[in-house]
Amino acid sequence: AQRVTQPEKLLSVFKGAPVELKCNYSYSGSPELFWYVQYSRQRLQLLLRHISRESIKGFTADLNKGETSFHLKKPFAQEEDSAMYYCALSSRGFQKLVFGTGTRLLVSP
Amino acid sequence: EPEVTQTPSHQVTQMGQEVILRCVPISNHLYFYWYRQILGQKVEFLVSFYNNEISEKSEIFDDQFSVERPDGSNFTLKIRSTKLEDSAMYFCASSGKGITSTDTQYFGPGTRLTVL
Repeated sequence: AQRVTQPEKLLSVFKGAPVELKCNYSYSGSPELFWYVQYSRQRLQLLLRHISRESIKGFTADLNKGETSFHLKKPFAQEEDSAMYYCALSSRGFQKLVFGTGTRLLVSP
Repeated sequence: EPEVTQTPSHQVTQMGQEVILRCVPISNHLYFYWYRQILGQKVEFLVSFYNNEISEKSEIFDDQFSVERPDGSNFTLKIRSTKLEDSAMYFCASSGKGITSTDTQYFGPGTRLTVL
């Protein structure tokens, strides 16, 4: 069965501190992993995906197949990063997304 | 930039009533989806739709649910006889080709359904 686990409901950091939002997945095949973000009163939007291997808004995420993880990292958090972050998984060639429960990131000044 | 739109933003209904949630996907997209999020829980996949038919559905998507693309622009989710547990935020999403990999899904703002 496909499953995505985000162990932290809330992560609170100060501006300028490093951030790591954890995501672990369970899937027997070759998954595609995504991070979606939802800012206050806005819609869910894609932040990044593992096959792009790019940095968006200073965030990066590396797929670790050995540890089945796809943690989201940023070296220096900004107040505007405060949002709900969802890790999601999809099977290659199929379209449905399986979401984790989300982590609320709160960046304080 | 084109966006997925959804109407209404909030729908209140009585248990047992039928509701139709409407979505206008991005115009050149080919895949359409419905997800829901019960308050405090994760976003859950309901159904995907491609080439005028359901391509995949979850266990949640039982006979009470149906989807339709009636006119080439709208994409609707119908719940025939609503239950209290159908109260949730319903998100529509659309994506492009996605033949060999999962294409980016663009989400609408959601419709909050409250069943009394």
